[in-house]
Amino acid sequence: EVQLVESGGGQVQPGGSLRLSCAASGFSISTSWMHWLRQVPGKGLVWVSRINSAGTTTGYADSVKGRFTISRDNAKNTLYLQMNSLTAEDTALYYCAGGGNLFDPWGQGTLVTVSS
Amino acid sequence: DIQMTQSPSTLSASVGDRVTITCWASQSISRWLGWYQQKPGKAPKLLIYDVSTLESGVPSRFSGSGFGTEFTLTIDSLQPDDFATYYCQQYNTYSPYTFGQGTKVEIK
Repeated sequence: EVQLVESGGGQVQPGGSLRLSCAASGFSISTSWMHWLRQVPGKGLVWVSRINSAGTTTGYADSVKGRFTISRDNAKNTLYLQMNSLTAEDTALYYCAGGGNLFDPWGQGTLVTVSS
Repeated sequence: DIQMTQSPSTLSASVGDRVTITCWASQSISRWLGWYQQKPGKAPKLLIYDVSTLESGVPSRFSGSGFGTEFTLTIDSLQPDDFATYYCQQYNTYSPYTFGQGTKVEIK
C-alpha cells in the first residue's frame, strides 16, 4: 500500500521555523518529482514547492520563496520542507504529494499554526 | 500566474442527477488540466488528467472535456460517494501550478 506520512507540524510563533517531513512507504520517491501543497482549512489548494527526483532542481511559490526550502533524502525515502520566517499567512494543512505536473499520491497532511 | 475559476462554487443535487462543473483558465492551457475530488478530512484524489483521461479506478460516470480556456467535469448519475468538493488544476506551465477555488457538490 502506498503511503505518504507527513510530520513536523505544530504551533509556532511568528518569525519561527519548522521542518516538515514526509515519509513514504510502498512508494519509492527516488523516481518521482515531489511536491508540497497547503490548504487553509475550509479553503482551496495551493501549490508550495517542488523538487525533482535527483534533488537538483527546485521551485517555489512566490509567497514562500526565500523562506522555505524543499529537500529530499532518497535513501530514507523522505521529503522535507524547511520553513523559516513563518507568518500567520502560512497557517495551513501541509500536504506532500508525488507526481510530475499532477499530484498523486498524497499524504494526509500535517497542520501548521503560526500564532503568538 | 494562470488564474483558474470554477463555477458554481456550490452545487446542490440529488442521487441520480447529472452534474456539470465548469473551470476557466485566464489564458490558454491547451489540454493540461486535471480534476481532483476531496472529501472532508481527506486529502484530494486525482480523478482526471489531460482534460479527459480517467485515473485508474475512477468510475466511468466521471468525464471531462474542453480545450484552451474552458473545461468541464461531468458526473453522470450522481452517486452518494460523489458528494465532495472538486478542484481543477492547470499544469500548462510551471507558472506556478494553480487550482480553481473548488466546487462543493452537496445533497439537495
